[in-house]
Amino acid sequence: AQKITQTQPGMFVQEKEAVTLDCTYDTSDPSYGLFWYKQPSSGEMIFLIYQGSYDQQNATEGRYSLNFQKARKSANLVISASQLGDSAMYFCAMREGRGYGGSQGNLIFGKGTKLSVKP
Amino acid sequence: EAGVTQFPSHSVIEKGQTVTLRCDPISGHDNLYWYRRVMGKEIKFLLHFVKESKQDESGMPNNRFLAERTGGTYSTLKVQPAELEDSGVYFCASSPLGGRNNEKLFFGSGTQLSVL
Repeated sequence: AQKITQTQPGMFVQEKEAVTLDCTYDTSDPSYGLFWYKQPSSGEMIFLIYQGSYDQQNATEGRYSLNFQKARKSANLVISASQLGDSAMYFCAMREGRGYGGSQGNLIFGKGTKLSVKP
Repeated sequence: EAGVTQFPSHSVIEKGQTVTLRCDPISGHDNLYWYRRVMGKEIKFLLHFVKESKQDESGMPNNRFLAERTGGTYSTLKVQPAELEDSGVYFCASSPLGGRNNEKLFFGSGTQLSVL
């Protein structure tokens, strides 16, 4: 079974509008972390935001916020005031467990959502 | 500060040939990861080094793949002999040791491997 599901292969949004990218996850581990990465056409994966399973508040980083609904196992990324430079692939990822001896475990990724911002 | 660098950025080889990918992590990062994305599919974990030791190699697809990290600095991923299904983008990522579970991974731009 897929551990990270991104159901939107592609999304369009008008410049300056907000957009929500969906992500649901599946884990039985009570301790986990959720990440969003952006991959522009240059190829590099850029970290955007992190949410821990025990965090009480939704994470925010500038124009990015994470709508964390633990009971529904969803961690949707909200981008406010979209800009043309936001056009990219967006990946949701999860890390299970607390790591080992200071070494963090690997990330499990979804298939990604391609966001296109229209002028 | 230099980020994670990968070389080459693109590689086109014929089936049966050997290819070696290189990754230079951020200086001081003891954790080094290899991932692969086959077109249209998820980015899949291949293996994880802590310094020069393989912490987790559960994602390595088969014994045609060999990863090394001599001296705990840069890493190489060799595919020998390459098959058509090995085509994809190979990402390297690094992070410092001793971080918390929210420690993000720093990724390189990947190597696009095409096996013809």
